[in-house]
Amino acid sequence: SQTIHQWPATLVQPVGSPLSLECTVEGTSNPNLYWYRQAAGRGLQLLFYSVGIGQISSEVPQNLSASRPQDRQFILSSKKLLLSDSGFYLCAWSVRHRNTGELFFGEGSRLTVL
Amino acid sequence: KNEVEQSPQNLTAQEGEFITINCSYSVGISALHWLQQHPGGGIVSLFMLSSGKKKHGRLIATINIQEKHSSLHITASHPRDSAVYICAAGETSGSRLTFGEGTQLTVNP
Repeated sequence: SQTIHQWPATLVQPVGSPLSLECTVEGTSNPNLYWYRQAAGRGLQLLFYSVGIGQISSEVPQNLSASRPQDRQFILSSKKLLLSDSGFYLCAWSVRHRNTGELFFGEGSRLTVL
Repeated sequence: KNEVEQSPQNLTAQEGEFITINCSYSVGISALHWLQQHPGGGIVSLFMLSSGKKKHGRLIATINIQEKHSSLHITASHPRDSAVYICAAGETSGSRLTFGEGTQLTVNP
């Protein structure tokens, strides 16, 4: 069966520090991968999605970046965090090349920037 | 005006009640997703539908493409159903989904 792992679960970082959130998927190949952010009291916002290794699409310009060094690994990074980067970050995957877009989410990473 | 609107924003029910959460969207879509977010933050996909009705256990999702409206129903609600329910509309893949802000459901015993 397919599983998705995301870490760390909780992170408290000072303004200006770097960030790295990691997500891996097991049990499937060639997944579409997504990074979402949920700010307090707001809906989910798509940050990045990837349809393959090294292929990243950015939905919202910001100081975050994403990378996909391996087929089932998706990393969200920042060189210098801002206060506005605080939020709940969710990694997700969906099956590619099928007429289904069901999303499978990781457990999320709660980031607090102080 | 948001492209995806849910109502109500908050809903409190007694155990056993029939629950309905509504979602209206203004974008053209190929699929409508219903998601459940647990208190800890984790999100589970409940349904993805493009027409008609789907049922899974006590949960039923319907969509009316012409009216651009979808509903999520919970029969015989239970305290463990307490969660945030999120509607998302867009392309079949997850890359172009527009999310509603969610409905906080609390079911009291």
